[in-house]
Amino acid sequence: DGGITQSPKYLFRKEGQNVTLSCEQNLNHDAMYWYRQDPGQGLRLIYYSQIVNDFQKGDIAEGYSVSREKKESFPLTVTSAQKNPTAFYLCASTFRTRVGSAYNEQFFGPGTRLTVL
Amino acid sequence: GQQVMQIPQYQHVQEGEDFTTYCNSSTTLSNIQWYKQRPGGHPVFLIQLVKSGEVKKQKRLTFQFGEAKKNSSLHITATQTTDVGTYFCAGPGGNNRLAFGKGNQVVVIP
Repeated sequence: DGGITQSPKYLFRKEGQNVTLSCEQNLNHDAMYWYRQDPGQGLRLIYYSQIVNDFQKGDIAEGYSVSREKKESFPLTVTSAQKNPTAFYLCASTFRTRVGSAYNEQFFGPGTRLTVL
Repeated sequence: GQQVMQIPQYQHVQEGEDFTTYCNSSTTLSNIQWYKQRPGGHPVFLIQLVKSGEVKKQKRLTFQFGEAKKNSSLHITATQTTDVGTYFCAGPGGNNRLAFGKGNQVVVIP
């Protein structure tokens, strides 16, 4: 059963603690993305990775870190430096786009809802 | 980076009526994608438009891409309670990333 999974679904953390959100895909996708969603803000890109061992900052990377050691996995760490971490976090993946071609659709995981207490 | 603007941000629609949601860009888009996110769920891809003036239909949903490739619309006829959710458009943001609009949250009134 192919897909993209995120765990946990709900996560509570105390202020000042780092926390790592999991994202795994078995779709053989090259590219993976992390988005943050707040009410009325749409989807804002945190980090993305086109290939293993490489990743780029998105629009709101401050206070977050990622790694891409395996093609299937793209974990996101929310550090204590992130001032307002309570949000819904979505991971997505897709095939890399060939130059000159239209972008491929992104497949999203079910999301992790992080609450900082 | 490229930005897409969606209007309206919120809509209340009576069940059985039609409604339209719009997506606009100040620059030409090579393609545009639409996604739907149900309450409490995650975005799911609906469609991609690539050609100028393109029109695609999926049952009660009609998607259009403007002639200038700067705007797009999604029109839903005979709204059902299953149409509730947030509809996002997304354009190319460079480097294989998408630039999502802020979404149009649709509430269906039975």
